[in-house]
Amino acid sequence: EAGVTQFPSHSVIEKGQTVTLRCDPISGHDNLYWYRRVMGKEIKFLLHFVKESKQDESGMPNNRFLAERTGGTYSTLKVQPAELEDSGVYFCASSQIGFAGGPGELFFGEGSRLTVL
Amino acid sequence: AQSVTQLDSHVSVSEGTPVLLRCNYSSSYSPSLFWYVQHPNKGLQLLLKYTSAATLVKGINGFEAEFKKSETSFHLTKPSAHMSDAAEYFCVVSERWTGNQFYFGTGTSLTVIP
Repeated sequence: EAGVTQFPSHSVIEKGQTVTLRCDPISGHDNLYWYRRVMGKEIKFLLHFVKESKQDESGMPNNRFLAERTGGTYSTLKVQPAELEDSGVYFCASSQIGFAGGPGELFFGEGSRLTVL
Repeated sequence: AQSVTQLDSHVSVSEGTPVLLRCNYSSSYSPSLFWYVQHPNKGLQLLLKYTSAATLVKGINGFEAEFKKSETSFHLTKPSAHMSDAAEYFCVVSERWTGNQFYFGTGTSLTVIP
């Protein structure tokens, strides 16, 4: 079974440019999460999809970030225009619903490292 | 509100000696707790999880953790460290009552000295 895959693994762009990160979750996983880790700090939640719907996007930093999950399969996270502080590693994770509706195990991708110059 | 505190940002142990990585959580209801490990340039991998069953949870690679509600702790232990255990470890809390949101600790970097 394929795991969570993320693309690209590393992206270097200049301030003001646009970058789109892609995440393919494990097949059948309704939950998809985006997280970000900036320069060794804590891993921060960005947003959570259940199928194609945004369950929680309270962690999105500002309106330069746009996430989509068309058809409830893969997801994209677009940053436009990118700023220096957007640099970091963006992780995607997917999960099924756990026991009694509780949280199932998160399966992570290897992350997309974004460097904004 | 949920939160996780990992008390040590960095831990060093000698190979063959015990490992203790500390985690305290705050949760309003009945939490699920997880430990994840991240090796360099890799994704996070689940070590073990507690979801209201047995309080002593055994995970992969000889790790285990004990859920102590009275102390709001979920410390990670291993009797004997191996060089391959050198990595970063994250304690995570989640609750179904808050939409299955996951909250991460700041991570503990484990160094194993030969």
